[in-house]
Amino acid sequence: EVQLVESGGGLVQPGGSLRLSCAASGFTFRSVYMNWVRQAPGKGLEWVATIREDGTEKHYADSVWGRFTISRDNANNSLSLQMNSLRAEDTAVYYCVRDRGYCRGGTCYAAFDSWGQGTLVTVSS
Amino acid sequence: AIQMTQSPSSLSASVGDRVIITCRASLGIRNELGWYQQKPGTAPKLLIYAASNLEDGVPSRFSGSGSGTDFTLTISGLQPEDFGTYYCLHDYNYPLTFGPGTKVDIK
Repeated sequence: EVQLVESGGGLVQPGGSLRLSCAASGFTFRSVYMNWVRQAPGKGLEWVATIREDGTEKHYADSVWGRFTISRDNANNSLSLQMNSLRAEDTAVYYCVRDRGYCRGGTCYAAFDSWGQGTLVTVSS
Repeated sequence: AIQMTQSPSSLSASVGDRVIITCRASLGIRNELGWYQQKPGTAPKLLIYAASNLEDGVPSRFSGSGSGTDFTLTISGLQPEDFGTYYCLHDYNYPLTFGPGTKVDIK
């Protein structure tokens, strides 16, 4: 059974830092793209960041570029999100998400098929 | 960045109704789009990927179609458990973008 368990959320002051972690199990972690997706209270979903299987390629939303860093440890089946210079608008539930991927005819498509339970980050003074 | 819009923003329908949710991309994205269902207090669930491929375990009353800029999610025969908010997500390029969501209530 695929399991994704986030940790590290909490209350932090504006300008502060926080590191989220995601422990993965039940699948071959090193073979899939991984993502962070967030959801502000009462709002919609926002993609945050993606990391390639081997960690050599990373992509970020404009809203977090230069402040957040996604990383992974394939030896320990873990995903991380280092969040610096936090702002009130970063307040959200952060989900760790597996992209199972689907490739056909030379094109690969995203398939965000497994999500963690989410961890709440609150940025407030 | 590609912008995604959805319509309607909310709807109320009866059990057995056919429900259609539309998603529009600001640029052509071929068929690189997925649909997700989220119920209150829970993580989203993948329904459709590559615009029209039904995820394993998802009931066949859900279907997706479209290509380019216009996409639809159809629920053929709404069931009580289908309440929730539905989001489209394009994966054509980075940054990925979700639509704003369509909230579905059961009358």
